[in-house]
Amino acid sequence: QVQLQESGPGLVKPSQTLSLTCTVSGGSISSGSYYWSWIRQPAGKGLEWIGRIYTSGSTNYNPSLKSRVTISVDTSKNQFSLKLSSVTAADTAVYYCARLNSGYDGWFDPWGQGTLVTVSS
Amino acid sequence: QSVLTQPPSVSGAPGQRVTISCTGSSSNIGAGYDVHWYQQLPGTAPKLLIYGNSNRPSGVPDRFSGSKSGTSASLAITGLQAEDEADYYCQSYDSSLSGLEVFGGGTKLTVL
Repeated sequence: QVQLQESGPGLVKPSQTLSLTCTVSGGSISSGSYYWSWIRQPAGKGLEWIGRIYTSGSTNYNPSLKSRVTISVDTSKNQFSLKLSSVTAADTAVYYCARLNSGYDGWFDPWGQGTLVTVSS
Repeated sequence: QSVLTQPPSVSGAPGQRVTISCTGSSSNIGAGYDVHWYQQLPGTAPKLLIYGNSNRPSGVPDRFSGSKSGTSASLAITGLQAEDEADYYCQSYDSSLSGLEVFGGGTKLTVL
């Protein structure tokens, strides 16, 4: 079955750019009509959807983060990536990647295990 | 402030039935978009629990059920077990500027 794994630096300095990669295994990122998403969760708080990408490269972002977010896909490596610029302490969170099964009425399954990113100098 | 509203906490004794509500608006649940539910055990990633309002993925016990009506949805858990103690989140699609995919704020279930 498909599995997702996040990777990237666990510590980012304020004002810098957070960069994470999600590696998909057990299946091709290009197969099926799936969207690939990033979701984050600050400690002790709820889930926040960051954005999604289709394998064609089409993206949609959370309006509250849109000016700072870029999601890209590398089908040759079976990976998709997140870049979040001008980070502050408020961006400290566990970041999850997940597969979204549809552009409308879709659900997230499976999820990666998550990676903690701390923004601190 | 989450787009979908859930109670912060619910509790119940083993064997009891509990429900968790998820209230939206005319741009998400009320617009006819499906509601999905996730269970997050402590220290782990969320796991899909219910999809398409009332469908259980393979491996999810039938003690878990979901329903939707109007601008709200509910998750019901019967025969409560200690292992059900977790955070539960609802999720739907939103057609307004709130963002395409929206979550509830989460509900902490405590098994007494």
